[in-house]
Amino acid sequence: GNSVTQMEGPVTLSEEAFLTINCTYTATGYPSLFWYVQYPGEGLQLLLKATKADDKGSNKGFEATYRKETTSFHLEKGSVQVSDSAVYFCALSDLQGAQKLVFGQGTRLTINP
Amino acid sequence: GAVVSQHPSRVICKSGTSVKIECRSLDFQATTMFWYRQFPKQSLMLMATSNEGSKATYEQGVEKDKFLINHASLTLSTLTVTSAHPEDSSFYICSARDLAGSVGELFFGEGSRLTVL
Repeated sequence: GNSVTQMEGPVTLSEEAFLTINCTYTATGYPSLFWYVQYPGEGLQLLLKATKADDKGSNKGFEATYRKETTSFHLEKGSVQVSDSAVYFCALSDLQGAQKLVFGQGTRLTINP
Repeated sequence: GAVVSQHPSRVICKSGTSVKIECRSLDFQATTMFWYRQFPKQSLMLMATSNEGSKATYEQGVEKDKFLINHASLTLSTLTVTSAHPEDSSFYICSARDLAGSVGELFFGEGSRLTVL
């Protein structure tokens, strides 16, 4: 079945550091890929998405490229801010039926000033 | 963006009682809502897909008689944890898809933390 594996956290960085959170997936067919973010005390929010191979999703300085050959969708940001502290979830949707999302385990990111 | 609201955000109950959690889409209609359960430091586990006007579809291993789901309107789904026990303590999250939304994009509620004593 479909699955998503994320880099284990927690991850702690200093402000302005470069961020990478690894995500790999296993799926049949060609799923859509997503990164969701959960800020403290809030619900999950869509951060970015990519719907086909080689697509790059981007938002708020974050980027992720859909790599079919390596089945990866790593999240990157060139210079993180304290406000980026949150839990990040990689997810895939199989586009079939109810289009259910399958999530990775989440990576908690803390940015220190 | 679209807003999904859950209520209550926190609930504490005694073992053996039932608890109802509501999930509302505030500014859009949702024929499909999803209920997830999140354990500490773990991912979201899909429990069931709630379909407006029909029975919910449960994931393998989820007891339909314990976790009753009702989706009576296009803006409201409820999850009732019946005869709750301490092992049911968890963070429950709902999500909804905007009928007019793009493929795969879901909007999530803030979650409801259930503690069963």
